[in-house]
Amino acid sequence: EVQLLESGGGLVQPGGSLRLSCAASGFSFSSYAMSWVRQAPGKGLEWVSTISGSGGTTYYADSVKGRFTISRDNSKNTLYLQMNSLRAEDTAVYYCAKDRLAARPSYVGDWGQGTLVTVSS
Amino acid sequence: EIVMTQSPATLSVSPGERATLSCRASQSVSSNLAWYQQKPGQAPRLLIYGASTRATAIPARFSGSGSGTEFTLTISSLQSEDLAVYYCQQYNNWPPITFGQGTRLEIK
Repeated sequence: EVQLLESGGGLVQPGGSLRLSCAASGFSFSSYAMSWVRQAPGKGLEWVSTISGSGGTTYYADSVKGRFTISRDNSKNTLYLQMNSLRAEDTAVYYCAKDRLAARPSYVGDWGQGTLVTVSS
Repeated sequence: EIVMTQSPATLSVSPGERATLSCRASQSVSSNLAWYQQKPGQAPRLLIYGASTRATAIPARFSGSGSGTEFTLTISSLQSEDLAVYYCQQYNNWPPITFGQGTRLEIK
């Protein structure tokens, strides 16, 4: 059974930093691209970033490019999202997502339960 | 960026009736279209990929159709547990991956 467990969310001041983690189990982690998708309170889904299975290729939404960095440690089956220069509009539940392909963004077969990030003074 | 537009924003259907949800892409996405269901307080769940292929363990009352720019998700006989928000997502042209704004399905 695929399990994705996010951690690292919380309250942070504007301009601050936070690192999210996603511990994965139940599948061959390095064989799949992984993504972060967020959902602001009461709003729809927004794709944030994807990393290939090898970790060699990354993709970002324009809204986070230059501020967020996605990475993975295949030896630890863990996905990360380093978030810097946080803004109020980054407030959202952040979902860890397992893509269906190895090398590029596609559709999400499995989702974590999400971790809430609140950016506020 | 491909814009995905879902209609209607809210749909109210009686149990046992058919529900038809629409999704339109601003340019062709071929059949690279997925549908997700998000129940209140839960993470999304994959329903359909490739525009018409049901994901594992998805009941047969859920079906998807369409290609190019026009897509439909049909729930043939609505059950009370189908109360949710439904999102379409294109994965043909990226980045970015884009989602529709969602259709809220209410049970009459």
